[in-house]
Amino acid sequence: GAGVSQSPSNKVTEKGKDVELRCDPISGHTALYWYRQSLGQGLEFLIYFQGNSAPDKSGLPSDRFSAERTGGSVSTLTIQRTQQEDSAVYLCASSPRYTQYFGPGTRLTVL
Amino acid sequence: GENVEQHPSTLSVQEGDSAVIKCTYSDSASNYFPWYKQELGKGPQLIIDIRSNVGEKKDQRIAVTLNKTAKHFSLHITETQPEDSAVYFCAASTNGGSQGNLIFGKGTKLSVKP
Repeated sequence: GAGVSQSPSNKVTEKGKDVELRCDPISGHTALYWYRQSLGQGLEFLIYFQGNSAPDKSGLPSDRFSAERTGGSVSTLTIQRTQQEDSAVYLCASSPRYTQYFGPGTRLTVL
Repeated sequence: GENVEQHPSTLSVQEGDSAVIKCTYSDSASNYFPWYKQELGKGPQLIIDIRSNVGEKKDQRIAVTLNKTAKHFSLHITETQPEDSAVYFCAASTNGGSQGNLIFGKGTKLSVKP
């Protein structure tokens, strides 16, 4: 079946611009996660959605970062007023219960 | 909060040899420990996981061991092949991984030389 998909695969933006990254989870998966992976680093947790519960936003690095999940399916991660340090690969994962299945990521470059 | 450390950061082995990657964790409440393989340009893929009620799990050439007392777990790959070359991440979670995020190690770049 179809896996987790993310779009765009690459995004280049100028400092100060807003960007939106999209995640389409596997159908039926109740949990959705966003992670950030900087060059040569591990995965840094950003935000977690579980069903209709309030999201766990404890990993968001600043108030420039926000995310929403509409209808318990598609999620959008928004970064406002992008900074060069926001450059990274943003990974989305969905989970039916235990195992997290990752998408291919969106590589964000802020010039 | 939980902290996961992973060693080594790079590992080079000859094809056919074994590779071992080790991780330690800090939160004794952690009870779910997955390992992910990430190939260039792709997202991480789960290769094996273990829960705290078992000490070892095997799947063909891959095995994971867990020492809860010492709070460390290891990935063992036997009879390595060039296609095993990738970055491997360990992770830890509470609640059996069913709720909340995974805390990842910084990764090990494994190179298998033919």
